[in-house]
Formats: sequence, C-alpha cells, structure tokens
Amino acid sequence: EIVLTQSPGTLSLSQGERATLSCRASQSVTSPYLAWYQQRPGQAPRLLIYGVGYRATGIPDRFSGSGSGTDFILTINSLQPEDSAVYLCQLYTDSPTFGQGTKVEIK
Amino acid sequence: QEQLVQSGAEVKKPGASVKVSCKASGYTFDRFMHWFRQAPGRGLEWMGRINSHNGDVTYGRNFRDRVTLTWDRSVFTAHMELSSLRSDDTAVYYCARALTGQFDLWGQGTLVTVSS
Repeated sequence: EIVLTQSPGTLSLSQGERATLSCRASQSVTSPYLAWYQQRPGQAPRLLIYGVGYRATGIPDRFSGSGSGTDFILTINSLQPEDSAVYLCQLYTDSPTFGQGTKVEIK
Repeated sequence: QEQLVQSGAEVKKPGASVKVSCKASGYTFDRFMHWFRQAPGRGLEWMGRINSHNGDVTYGRNFRDRVTLTWDRSVFTAHMELSSLRSDDTAVYYCARALTGQFDLWGQGTLVTVSS
C-alpha cells in the first residue's frame, strides 16, 4: 500500500503570498488519480484538483497542481483569508488513500 | 442541485451497532458510493464502496469483518452499518460519490460517538 506523506504540517503565510504544499508517495505513482482537497473546520472535504493538475468545477485558478513519480505539489497563489483550511492529497490505486494533511493559516 | 444528505449524529454504547444513511438527490444514483471516517486528530480512512448498478461491495481491510454497505435504489439512499462498536470508532463518517479516481461530492458527515 502506498503511503502519502504531506509537508509541512502547518504553513503560516500572509494574505497575497504563495503557498506550496508537498505530497510525497512512498513509491512511484503510475495511477493518474492524484487529487487534492480542501477541508475547513466542521466541513467535509471539497475537491480542488484531480488527475494531478486539473481543477475541479468552480475552483479558482489560483489553485494549481503538478508533479509526477513520487512528488506532487499543490500551489495556492495570492492567498485569500478563505483559503485557511487543511489540504489533503489523495491517491487511488486499489483503494483510496489520503495524506495526513497540511494546515494553512493566514496571518 | 446535486447533494448527499446523511443521517444525524448517533451515540452508541460499546458492542452496539450503528447504521448511517446517505441520500442522494439532484442526480442519478449511478456511480460508486464510498464511505470514509475521520477520527479526531486522524486522517481520512477508507471503509469501503458499493456499486449502485449491481450492489457489489468492496470493503477496506480494516473493516471487512464489521461493516456492511447496502443501497436502496427506490429512495436513492446508501447505508453503512458498523457493528461491535468500540470507543476508537468514535469519528465523523462520510459518504462520497466517486468520479473516476476522486470524490467530487460528499455528504455533510455524521458524528458517531461510542461511549459507555
């Protein structure tokens, strides 16, 4: 089973800055099904990015995804106050698995 | 408007069972429905999935002895039943619609508390 490790655990940035979130897989990923979600406190996850780099419907273009092999990145340009949340990466091979999350705080 | 609406919070004693429902509306219930849980301070854990076309189920390794997934086509509702509850089953349980390899629609979550 592939394990996803996200870093950093917490990212504290100012409004307008760029956030770079990492998701590292324990072995090289051949599945195209790498996704990112945003989860605000008390809410269900919300799909942001699928297929490594495709934005889900209604997601602002300041969110972008990239990567291959074992290393995947979620970039959030020009951070807004509403971007405060936990961000989760997810992979689907035989079954879905999630990383433990990166918390983004807006100073 | 597409949505998944889950049943309300539950409080159960150790050893009991809990059944959580997930009603789909605004779309044809024609995809896989998955179930996850999220315990306090822990990540999302996959419990299993059900194929709405033929009722086939696949259970996660950690749950296959205790979880039962069903669906009722007539009312577009999926159910998750977890038996032999323990205190570490206290979590928020989610249903989620699968879109190929990712999950594009989620229920609002159901808090299940296991306490004596």
